[in-house]
Amino acid sequence: NAGVMQNPRHLVRRRGQEARLRCSPMKGHSHVYWYRQLPEEGLKFMVYLQKENIIDESGMPKERFSAEFPKEGPSILRIQQVVRGDSAAYFCASSPSQGATGELFFGEGSRLTVL
Amino acid sequence: KQEVTQIPAALSVPEGENLVLNCSFTDSAIYNLQWFRQDPGKGLTSLLLIQSSQREQTSGRLNASLDKSSGRSTLYIAASQPGDSATYLCAVPTGANSKLTFGKGITLSVRP
Repeated sequence: NAGVMQNPRHLVRRRGQEARLRCSPMKGHSHVYWYRQLPEEGLKFMVYLQKENIIDESGMPKERFSAEFPKEGPSILRIQQVVRGDSAAYFCASSPSQGATGELFFGEGSRLTVL
Repeated sequence: KQEVTQIPAALSVPEGENLVLNCSFTDSAIYNLQWFRQDPGKGLTSLLLIQSSQREQTSGRLNASLDKSSGRSTLYIAASQPGDSATYLCAVPTGANSKLTFGKGITLSVRP
């Protein structure tokens, strides 16, 4: 039973380019969360999605960032016109259940470097 | 607003020592608390999940306790080994959607 799969593991972009990060949840999990870990800081919640729906995007920057979780395929976190401050590790987590009682399982992360 | 604190930020111990990692949170109305391990450049591995109705959970050499009323959790590691060297994070759900609020973690180094 494969865990949460994220790709790419490492991504280098120049300022102004777009970054797309993909996440396939664990089999049977329909709830996906994205977190960002900045250097020397803790993990911060970004967005919570279920299939075809954004449930909570309260942690997403208002501009340049978007997320989707289509009916078929992985969840995608998209960052447009990247800036150096976007350099971070982006983690995806999945859960089989809704609500605060569920355990989250994390992927290995995608490390974005903006030159 | 929920805040999670882990002090100290780093800890170095000799191999074989029993140790306790602390986690405190400001809002005691939590459903559960989860402890994770993160190795450098890697993702998070879930170690233990304690539901609010539980006082402790055990897995091998690890034991996690939860005291909701005082807003504290501890992760006890018995007979520490160099392989236990990693960053340990605690997290609690905020709101109804399982989004987690994390502490900044404690970086543990176990010296051979």
